[in-house]
Amino acid sequence: GQQLNQSPQSMFIQEGEDVSMNCTSSSIFNTWLWYKQDPGEGPVLLIALYKAGELTSNGRLTAQFGITRKDSFLNISASIPSDVGIYFCAGPPYNQGGKLIFGQGTELSVKP
Amino acid sequence: ETGVTQSPTHLIKTRGQQVTLRCSSQSGHNTVSWYQQALGQGPQFIFQYYREEENGRGNFPPRFSGLQFPNYSSELNVNALELDDSALYLCASSLRQGASEQYFGPGTRLTVT
Repeated sequence: GQQLNQSPQSMFIQEGEDVSMNCTSSSIFNTWLWYKQDPGEGPVLLIALYKAGELTSNGRLTAQFGITRKDSFLNISASIPSDVGIYFCAGPPYNQGGKLIFGQGTELSVKP
Repeated sequence: ETGVTQSPTHLIKTRGQQVTLRCSSQSGHNTVSWYQQALGQGPQFIFQYYREEENGRGNFPPRFSGLQFPNYSSELNVNALELDDSALYLCASSLRQGASEQYFGPGTRLTVT
């Protein structure tokens, strides 16, 4: 079945640094979603992308819908300790209703 | 606006038992989806409910079943629990059927011993 591959699996950065992570698929997606999950909590929707090439920001977060429609990128600028968590990309497979498939996640650690 | 709520927060069950998890959707949302998240993994889609009917199912056996009520709240039932059913069970609601944006509750942590 369809899979989303995220990289890197984990990142250890210094507070204030910028962060980049990406998500790739073997097939085309029409929507890309980025979620953040804190320990013991449910995923929180950060950004939704609907169009190839689209660049959308939410505060210090910026996400892009890849031109090939098979990838997406998330950047975090000037990281702060509360950015710590697991970031997931997700998307609805073609013609499968409201189902979302998720990547394996990128775990971000920020050193003050 | 009330977000997605789930109960209970934690649950411990014995192999072979049955369990019911509950979810109230975000106000104004009529579609509810359930996901299973094993430790260290991304959430896996179990099924979705819309208008009180199952509307799409992932690769889970029939012992995973659900209900949706007229107020859009939902239940997930799991029969004949197995050790591998230990996971975080997440409920997500969306504004309408087919909407990609799904909003998650805090989850129910199920431990099967």
